[in-house]
Amino acid sequence: SAVISQKPSRDICQRGTSLTIQCQVDSQVTMMFWYRQQPGQSLTLIATANQGSEATYESGFVIDKFPISRPNLTFSTLTVSNMSPEDSSIYLCSVGQGSGKLFFGSGTQLSVL
Amino acid sequence: GESVGLHLPTLSVQEGDNSIINCAYSNSASDYFIWYKQESGKGPQFIIDIRSNMDKRQGQRVTVLLNKTVKHLSLQIAATQPGDSAVYFCAEIYTGANSKLTFGKGITLSVRP
Repeated sequence: SAVISQKPSRDICQRGTSLTIQCQVDSQVTMMFWYRQQPGQSLTLIATANQGSEATYESGFVIDKFPISRPNLTFSTLTVSNMSPEDSSIYLCSVGQGSGKLFFGSGTQLSVL
Repeated sequence: GESVGLHLPTLSVQEGDNSIINCAYSNSASDYFIWYKQESGKGPQFIIDIRSNMDKRQGQRVTVLLNKTVKHLSLQIAATQPGDSAVYFCAEIYTGANSKLTFGKGITLSVRP
């Protein structure tokens, strides 16, 4: 399985600011995904990060709020823009093998004041 | 106003006993299923998977059972240990084109010493 490094591991941010989360994988992967996990809840897919093209967003998530970059096959960033307390969540990067199985980074715990 | 988050159901088990964690999945077309374990402060970790052409699969101390008739998945953990305390998620996917892994609500397993 791939080793996924995500940073920062946690942050406390002020309302109205933006935070960029980085995800680095130790091998080239085709499929990278960003998930959100709100407190005490399950995982919700934000978007699929496509290398060389725009990310594909799920219903309820938009590029202006969650811009994503995927400059190569080992790296991606997710930005949480113009944050509000409702954005307080764990944000998780994951990579897929094509079979459906996903592997996850350790996540970024975001608190917005 | 105050927001109220969902609280995951909890299963409390005596150390050394067997645990059974149940999951009802939603899509009758799903053909691949995964159990994940998430410890506090970490990302979900793959435990075991099963394809829809099987009804049982065993790993080390874990067994997954699939009942497609009633869309039910279970994870059995033998001789439960304190290190098994975590949140467990089932996930399903139809491995056709453009399908996404969908996560269940999650169950907290608490192991009593």
